[in-house]
Amino acid sequence: GAVVSQHPSRVICKSGTSVKIECRSLDFQATTMFWYRQFPKKSLMLMATSNEGSKATYEQGVEKDKFLINHASLTLSTLTVTSAHPEDSSFYICSAAEGQGPKLRSPLHFGNGTRLTVT
Amino acid sequence: GEDVEQSLFLSVREGDSSVINCTYTDSSSTYLYWYKQEPGAGLQLLTYIFSNMDMKQDQRLTVLLNKKDKHLSLRIADTQTGDSAIYFCACWGDSSYKLIFGSGTRLLVRP
Repeated sequence: GAVVSQHPSRVICKSGTSVKIECRSLDFQATTMFWYRQFPKKSLMLMATSNEGSKATYEQGVEKDKFLINHASLTLSTLTVTSAHPEDSSFYICSAAEGQGPKLRSPLHFGNGTRLTVT
Repeated sequence: GEDVEQSLFLSVREGDSSVINCTYTDSSSTYLYWYKQEPGAGLQLLTYIFSNMDMKQDQRLTVLLNKKDKHLSLRIADTQTGDSAIYFCACWGDSSYKLIFGSGTRLLVRP
């Protein structure tokens, strides 16, 4: 069964509003969570890495004020797309793993993704 | 930076074997993964191999790793129409602590 649950699976919002996406690990402690974005027919682009209790590390070119990541517990990380615009429409996928940095334990399990449509 | 490459498309007949290839550049990759993605869905972990292994078999799936050439392959035996999907190769870099994905190979299984 699923070990990482992502919610919602689909969301439509109006331009200028904010949207929160949740990622939960179901049967393990997710010390590290990764957030990816996938454009149609493209690969996954890593947006940021979050470690429980600390600030997320964002990849180059990803606006941290636009994509707010919170990882307050060992089972939950959230991604908030603030002041969403149509160009933010995409498929967002989270993944989670036990451990951190050099002690990160694989494999990474992925959520089912959230399709965001901004109108 | 690290790079992972895959061919974009593969078409096979039902019942045949499929072989999806992947090359990577990061020699510090310790874990190498294969994920399957069906339309509109997230990623399903199919299998993975640790870098000190040459081969791993799991039912219809066989993973071969040539660490010297940084080449990874996924063989699906007796391919079924339900195997039609996009297959992503991904490498975990022990120096970057990131999972880097290939562009995905779209597998089409013809009846």
